[in-house]
Amino acid sequence: QKEVEQNSGPLSVPEGAIASLNCTYSDRGSQSFFWYRQYSGKSPELIMFIYSNGDKEDGRFTAQLNKASQYVSLLIRDSQPSDSATYLCAVNPPSGTYKYIFGTGTRLKVLA
Amino acid sequence: DVKVTQSSRYLVKRTGEKVFLECVQDMDHENMFWYRQDPGLGLRLIYFSYDVKMKEKGDIPEGYSVSREKKERFSLILESASTNQTSMYLCASTTPGANVLTFGAGSRLTVL
Repeated sequence: QKEVEQNSGPLSVPEGAIASLNCTYSDRGSQSFFWYRQYSGKSPELIMFIYSNGDKEDGRFTAQLNKASQYVSLLIRDSQPSDSATYLCAVNPPSGTYKYIFGTGTRLKVLA
Repeated sequence: DVKVTQSSRYLVKRTGEKVFLECVQDMDHENMFWYRQDPGLGLRLIYFSYDVKMKEKGDIPEGYSVSREKKERFSLILESASTNQTSMYLCASTTPGANVLTFGAGSRLTVL
């Protein structure tokens, strides 16, 4: 069974701090990696995607991918109370399949 | 912006009823998906469609069927609803190559 694992949290950080969310995956052939944010009672919305090893930055968000360690992370700088949500990591297995595998999510609480 | 519209946000049905969940996307996407989301279990794929009248079973297809008669519309059908199908149902779409799932607002189904 191919898996994506996340710590369920809650991860609590003070306002203005850096939040670090982590995700590991088991299928070494995975090619695409996604972070979604989901507010309570709402549907997931895309934050970032990353395909290549290294860092990818978009505003306050940085995704980091290490394929050798099968590890992807999301850093949120200058965390705001509005960032409080559940963050889902998703992995797209090797091309030719469309079975995105989702982690169960990490709940982030940013304390004002 | 891609828009994925789910016709019903909240439904309450009785055990044994037939339930239709409708999903429409307005960006000419080939691929459409139905997921269910339950606490602690994350998102699980029910069915996937890559073209009109084409479908593939996901991880949990039992008790569900789907219909895709037009490219923009993907329907999920519960032939005889049961209490264990009480869940949040999420429709999503994507274009091959883009790999980014765009979700609808979700349909929260309660089966009594």
